[in-house]
Amino acid sequence: SQQGEEDPQALSIQEGENATMNCSYKTSINNLQWYRQNSGRGLVHLILIRSNEREKHSGRLRVTLDTSKKSSSLLITASRAADTASYFCATDAYGSRLTFGEGTQLTVNP
Amino acid sequence: DTEVTQTPKHLVMGMTNKKSLKCEQHMGHRAMYWYKQKAKKPPELMFVYSYEKLSINESVPSRFSPECPNSSLLNLHLHALQPEDSALYLCASSQVGWGRAGDEQFFGPGTRLTVL
Repeated sequence: SQQGEEDPQALSIQEGENATMNCSYKTSINNLQWYRQNSGRGLVHLILIRSNEREKHSGRLRVTLDTSKKSSSLLITASRAADTASYFCATDAYGSRLTFGEGTQLTVNP
Repeated sequence: DTEVTQTPKHLVMGMTNKKSLKCEQHMGHRAMYWYKQKAKKPPELMFVYSYEKLSINESVPSRFSPECPNSSLLNLHLHALQPEDSALYLCASSQVGWGRAGDEQFFGPGTRLTVL
């Protein structure tokens, strides 16, 4: 089965609100990455957090990693309609091999 | 140049056709990947090339044949595909070679393949 599981599967919020997505995984990892995918297009790398890090920020993104619980969360603050996309977590358990979670479909309503 | 390009954007082919997908990057990346993605599902790894050598084949049927002519190019040759092979095919690259602690992967926009 997939290494990562995400919840919720779908999330609908209003512009300006915060969006939180969660990812759980099963084995030890080197790092965990978050990607965004707009409908039918390629994936865009958002942020990478290494196994020895607990929190990382990039602009409006905040990622946390709890290796004891094998879980991560992605927080998008002050969401915009342009943030509407699918978001995938991906774990790197063996150098450069990414295993993707099922993804969260985020819809930000204007 | 910090992008991965893929051609064609769309491809429609019959089950008896032979076609090829092309991927190119000029970032000096050492690893290149092919993924298959079905609608509303995550990408699934198919092949990994590291330093122009095939490192991983995820038990992909032989009707898919990868080729890495040089460090910047990656091809996927298609022959005798089935309708269930219809999907978005994504190419990606990363700076480090296969088997080393990973970093981010850069994805191309994908080729939307329809097999009739």
